[in-house]
Amino acid sequence: AQSVTQLDSQVPVFEEAPVELRCNYSSSVSVYLFWYVQYPNQGLQLLLKYLSGSTLVKGINGFEAEFNKSQTSFHLRKPSVHISDTAEYFCASQETSGSRLTFGEGTQLTVNP
Amino acid sequence: GAGVSQSPSNKVTEKGKDVELRCDPISGHTALYWYRQSLGQGLEFLIYFQGNSAPDKSGLPSDRFSAERTGGSVSTLTIQRTQQEDSAVYLCASSQSGGYGYTFGSGTRLTVV
Repeated sequence: AQSVTQLDSQVPVFEEAPVELRCNYSSSVSVYLFWYVQYPNQGLQLLLKYLSGSTLVKGINGFEAEFNKSQTSFHLRKPSVHISDTAEYFCASQETSGSRLTFGEGTQLTVNP
Repeated sequence: GAGVSQSPSNKVTEKGKDVELRCDPISGHTALYWYRQSLGQGLEFLIYFQGNSAPDKSGLPSDRFSAERTGGSVSTLTIQRTQQEDSAVYLCASSQSGGYGYTFGSGTRLTVV
């Protein structure tokens, strides 16, 4: 069975500061990994995904994530955040042989001026 | 269509009434998923349709919940005899067969009073 743990439920940060949102996964088989963003009153939007190959994945809005197999982590980073990055961020895994996504509990990123 | 469309966007219903939530997936996407997002919680898997195969209903919380998918396209999630704990945002997503990750709709916010 898969599980995804997002280590921080809330992350407050000042504008233009760097941010890291942490995600660890657990699975007995190979997985794909994803980060989604949810702005208020909207659905989830895909930020980036790791399928294979380079462990550093770049996504939209200046976000990137690094897949670390030995630490079973897929942390999301941005070197300089904007007010508009305030949203809830979800990490998810998908078995390479399956289709259901398993989500973490979400991390609320709040960017303050 | 260009995206996953859900209707209604908001629904307020009285306890004990039945409700129907609709999802129109992206054209050509054979897989369709329903998730529930309750306040302060992550995304809870409800049900998954893949082509003409029998749906995976393992996430439905009770027999008051059911879903169907007609013609391999539009899906309806039905909640009978609604309870206050059913209040949540119901998210629909679709993907291509064998695809990676999903495209989500904007959700239906259900409030049971």
